[in-house]
Amino acid sequence: DTEVTQTPKHLVMGMTNKKSLKCEQHMGHRAMYWYKQKAKKPPELMFVYSYEKLSINESVPSRFSPECPNSSLLNLHLHALQPEDSALYLCASSQEQGDLRGYTFGSGTRLTVV
Amino acid sequence: RKEVEQDPGPFNVPEGATVAFNCTYSNSASQSFFWYRQDCRKEPKLLMSVYSSGNEDGRFTAQLNRASQYISLLIRDSKLSDSATYLCVGNNFNKFYFGSGTKLNVKP
Repeated sequence: DTEVTQTPKHLVMGMTNKKSLKCEQHMGHRAMYWYKQKAKKPPELMFVYSYEKLSINESVPSRFSPECPNSSLLNLHLHALQPEDSALYLCASSQEQGDLRGYTFGSGTRLTVV
Repeated sequence: RKEVEQDPGPFNVPEGATVAFNCTYSNSASQSFFWYRQDCRKEPKLLMSVYSSGNEDGRFTAQLNRASQYISLLIRDSKLSDSATYLCVGNNFNKFYFGSGTKLNVKP
């Protein structure tokens, strides 16, 4: 299994809703990442987990809350989002944080906040 | 200054052409570099890693020039299916930074 699986693929939520994005990998990778990508822009790093511990938070607003229940799963909990948070949210994993072999990305969750 | 910078393009080339992209990086301590390909509304996919010695994979050749702090991607015999955005990626202190991407359009 060489995939990173993200669910749901599409999500529409209101500004008062609470929702969660899920990411799963079974490659034995110990680093997992959340990226946000707006249209025609590169992915921007949000969070890094290394060995299930939060390693990097790129000053992300608290309405985004990451969680790593185990080495295969990574969640992103969403609450009270704004329309400008609409974007493609990408999960990625690598053998180790900053692995020289690069990342594997999931297909993303396309989020629309209304 | 951005960690990684690249020409956004678009590069419009005919099928069969050879096209080259460059990407510059600001941190001389960066250890590893990659080229990713991203199709419209899809996730980035690793195309190739970049080494000082250069590496080749079929029609694609990547090169790292540490003295001038740039990396390059050469695509020979362009195919219509090569049309995509090519993202240059470098690392700095265990964080990977993406360039803004170079858009390639291969025309029949």
